[in-house]
Parts: sequence; C-alpha cells; structure tokens
Amino acid sequence: GAGVSQSPRYKVAKRGQDVALRCDPISGHVSLFWYQQALGQGPEFLTYFQNEAQLDKSGLPSDRFFAERPEGSVSTLKIQRTQQEDSAVYLCASSSPGTTYTGELFFGEGSRLTVL
Amino acid sequence: DAKTTQPPSMDCAEGRAANLPCNHSTISGNEYVYWYRQIHSQGPQYIIHGLKNNETNEMASLIITEDRKSSTLILPHATLRDTAVYYCIVRMYSGGGADGLTFGKGTHLIIQP
Repeated sequence: GAGVSQSPRYKVAKRGQDVALRCDPISGHVSLFWYQQALGQGPEFLTYFQNEAQLDKSGLPSDRFFAERPEGSVSTLKIQRTQQEDSAVYLCASSSPGTTYTGELFFGEGSRLTVL
Repeated sequence: DAKTTQPPSMDCAEGRAANLPCNHSTISGNEYVYWYRQIHSQGPQYIIHGLKNNETNEMASLIITEDRKSSTLILPHATLRDTAVYYCIVRMYSGGGADGLTFGKGTHLIIQP
C-alpha cells in the first residue's frame, strides 16, 4: 500500500483479555517502530525492528507486551492480560535508509485500545 | 537525544504566518532539529528538518539560530487544516534507518478563522 496500515483502528478489551495489533509497513521499509501514546501526551517509544530482528525493546513497559516481525514485513504487537493503564493509541512507523537520508519516519493512523 | 522546550499552546489567525518556537540549548554538534505534526486522530507527520542552515520546503520553513540553541518553525500562510500538535525533536541521524524519535508534549497550534 501507499502508507503504513494499522488494524484494528479501534479495539475495546475487557481487563485480562489478550489483544493483538497489526502493522503493515510501507513495502520495502527495513525499519519498523512501535510507539504508545497516552491521552494528551506525545508518543513514547516501545520497540524497534530492523527486518525481522528486534534490535531494541527497551520501551516495552512490562513482560505482558510482546512484538514480532517474523518475515521482516508485517509486525504484530501483542498485549497479554490487558490492564486499564494499557489504554492508549498504539502507533506503528516505518522507515528506510533510502537515498534521501532524511531520516523521515512514516506513521500509521494508530490503533486505539480501550481496556474496560 | 537533547531535550526540547516548546510552549504548550498557541493561537494564530487563518492566513497569517504561524511561528512556532523551540528551545534546545543542550543540542550537540551532530544532532539535527526535526519537526513533526500530529493532526487529531492521525499519526505524526514529518514536516522538515535541519542541522544548522535554514531550510524551506513546500510545507514550512525552519530557522535555526547561529548557536543552534533554538529554532522556529514557520507556516507562512496558516489554514484551518494546520491545527495540530507540533513536535520539535532533536535527534542524531546516522542514515542507517535505526534512529527513532523521542517526542515531548509539543505545541498545540490552533488556527482561528
């Protein structure tokens, strides 16, 4: 597709449920990032992939959060046993070194998770 | 990455130039200044970036002071669609694609009709 696609756009989960959020990056983009954005705050880094390798997961808030990108394209962020504090918008971004070297990250529209 | 300081909110009349300030007094020599904006219910969108020279593109201009401790993003003719949160980010960029972004709270720019 032309841009970064995320699904679902909206997810309501009961506390304790597991959720999975999907990100389809721009075709050919090597780098993929996940961010968490709480209401009224700027996005906060969660994790980073280069192709299928997860090179940085320092931002994952707990071991309930898990991300994967098994074939180096689509990525899934999984949250186990959701808690109310997990309610946020989860943003995915991709980038590629490319020839322009602008360092631009391309973001999807996000998945809004509400935990009841 | 160096920390940035931005006003929490600003108003601007439609059709006028919007000037958004950013302080980054601890910026180091190899750090770039990036600006992104986030329109309500959308993901952040890249606007412009620079190292030490002023930059202009189809969206905006970026003015960086000579000592690089502050910068201003200029939207020359603001429209209602420019209402958004604007983030000033200081970041090292190695060109390898691994460099993420550290967002602050940004400036909520409201364009008034």
